[in-house]
Amino acid sequence: QIVLTQSPAIMSASPGEKVTLTCSASSSVSSSYLYWYQQKPGSSPKLWIYSTSNLASGVPARFSGSGSGTSYSLTISSMEAEDAASYFCHQWSSYPLTFGAGTKLELK
Amino acid sequence: QVQLQQSGPELVKPGASVRISCKASGYTFTSYYIHWVKQRPGQGLEWIGWIYPGNVNTKYNEKFKGKATLTADKSSSTAYMQLSSLTSEDSAVYFCARDWDGGFAYWGQGTLVTVSA
Repeated sequence: QIVLTQSPAIMSASPGEKVTLTCSASSSVSSSYLYWYQQKPGSSPKLWIYSTSNLASGVPARFSGSGSGTSYSLTISSMEAEDAASYFCHQWSSYPLTFGAGTKLELK
Repeated sequence: QVQLQQSGPELVKPGASVRISCKASGYTFTSYYIHWVKQRPGQGLEWIGWIYPGNVNTKYNEKFKGKATLTADKSSSTAYMQLSSLTSEDSAVYFCARDWDGGFAYWGQGTLVTVSA
């Protein structure tokens, strides 16, 4: 199975700071099938970015996604308080579908 | 609007089974995959499998074969997941989710399953 390794596991960022979260795959993932989810405590995950770089409905434009092959990233151009959450990458390039362990992003 | 309404929390004894439901509304139930995902407290997400209600085909993560059974009732637009031979390792929140363009665009609110004597 494809193992997705996210880094860092936990990080904190100040308002206005640029944030980059990474997702490294153990085997190549088709960029069409790499996704990111945001999850806040007590809530269900929300689709945040699909097909590597497309923002889901309602996601602020300060978010972006990029990558290919085995290396993907999610970037926040300017951290805001509402962005504090856990972010999970996910692949549907091969079975079994897998998720990364997540990055917990905290507000500094 | 698309909604997935899951059944309530369950407290079950070790060795027992439990069935969780996921009632869909706001779209054609038979046209989209329903996935099931496990999340243990403070942990990441694990994909259990999917069911396609249109033809009732299923696909499981090998890890959950023998543990989870996915079914669907077209007449009530409800998907079900039965978990058997429960142990403490099965205590978790279980989500159903509907796909859109390959991503899980819609999620149920989650069902907490607690396995305890």
